[in-house]
Amino acid sequence: GQSLEQPSEVTAVEGAIVQINCTYQTSGFYGLSWYQQHDGGAPTFLSYNALDGLEETGRFSSFLSRSDSYGYLLLQELQMKDSASYFCAVRGQGGKLIFGQGTELSVKP
Amino acid sequence: IAGITQAPTSQILAAGRRMTLRCTQDMRHNAMYWYRQDLGLGLRLIHYSNTAGTTGKGEVPDGYSVSRANTDDFPLTLASAVPSQTSVYFCASSDTGGGYGYTFGSGTRLTVV
Repeated sequence: GQSLEQPSEVTAVEGAIVQINCTYQTSGFYGLSWYQQHDGGAPTFLSYNALDGLEETGRFSSFLSRSDSYGYLLLQELQMKDSASYFCAVRGQGGKLIFGQGTELSVKP
Repeated sequence: IAGITQAPTSQILAAGRRMTLRCTQDMRHNAMYWYRQDLGLGLRLIHYSNTAGTTGKGEVPDGYSVSRANTDDFPLTLASAVPSQTSVYFCASSDTGGGYGYTFGSGTRLTVV
């Protein structure tokens, strides 16, 4: 089977850096993705790591270590609009995404 | 604007009634998916379709059925709704085999009473 673990809540202040961790167990691994969801709306794609290392997209970076079954999402220069839920997801066999339970990020002024 | 359209936006349904949630995409993506989202449980895969004419079961398929007659449409049917199917339902699509992310619809909020 497949399972993912991530913290349920994270709080940080505006301008800070925050890291959201994700550990996974999966039979057949094809990549780790991150999604953002505001206020229960449509989840939107943030990043994808198929290989070990860091992927950077603007203020957001995502890291993967396949040997540790671990990844994280790093958000820099936090803004109030970054307050949202963040989901890690593993892409298993057949391309289907299995999601973690989500981390609610609260950015305080 | 290219994307996914879901209908209805919300619905209150009596238990035992049949309901079809509609999903249409205009991106010509091969694969489509249905997820349900419940508080504290994240997004759970109900059914999927890798290409028109084929479907498969996800993590929580019981009580739901799907069809994929063409590339664009992927309806989800609840044959006889039960209160435990109260949830927010998201349809999504992707290029088959692509790792570049799914595109999600805005969701259908379903309450079964």
